[in-house]
Amino acid sequence: DTAVSQTPKYLVTQMGNDKSIKCEQNLGHDTMYWYKQDSKKFLKIMFSYNNKELIINETVPNRFSPKSPDKAHLNLHINSLELGDSAVYFCASSQDVGSRNTIYFGEGSWLTVV
Amino acid sequence: DQQVKQNSPSLSVQEGRISILNCDYTNSMFDYFLWYKKYPAEGPTFLISISSIKDKNEDGRFTVFLNKSAKHLSLHIVPSQPGDSAVYFCAASDGGGFKTIFGAGTRLFVKA
Repeated sequence: DTAVSQTPKYLVTQMGNDKSIKCEQNLGHDTMYWYKQDSKKFLKIMFSYNNKELIINETVPNRFSPKSPDKAHLNLHINSLELGDSAVYFCASSQDVGSRNTIYFGEGSWLTVV
Repeated sequence: DQQVKQNSPSLSVQEGRISILNCDYTNSMFDYFLWYKKYPAEGPTFLISISSIKDKNEDGRFTVFLNKSAKHLSLHIVPSQPGDSAVYFCAASDGGGFKTIFGAGTRLFVKA
């Protein structure tokens, strides 16, 4: 049973489109994240939510909007997709806030913008 | 400006030998360090961590060494096995913050 699951796994879409990636965790964790792995392979945090409240919002274009309907879900919506948005997006969760908590990652969603 | 650097994109080691993966950091406020392992088409998984109050932490075949004065840590895998072939991410955080900063990863190939 997958602990952190995200869909879709692969997504190819045209510039200008709007797309969403869904994420769910069944670990009972309070904190969820979105990370982006770009062409340089760094894993960079984009957002973090704790109990549905936004606690980290990095310098991400406002075309990216996370939504947490409950603490088990954190979806990522991207408006007006650009070529530079092509990357692997990882959803993750941890027991609580605080950077000493082990982070559990989903399998990633490969987004390609053409 | 990357605060966690893994300068070797890849490393190739013979099965049974030691693998040493290196990581450097720039932020002196970091006090907790982690290694994650990632197989293709999977998400990273936690491997081992170390607090800045220690200089060594061991878990089976995996040992992490921390040199605070040099702002350097390393992961040793002994003996290396083909199943260890993966990308290894170094990560660091400051205890009071919410963010864990990751490096770009080192791809380890263990040859049988």
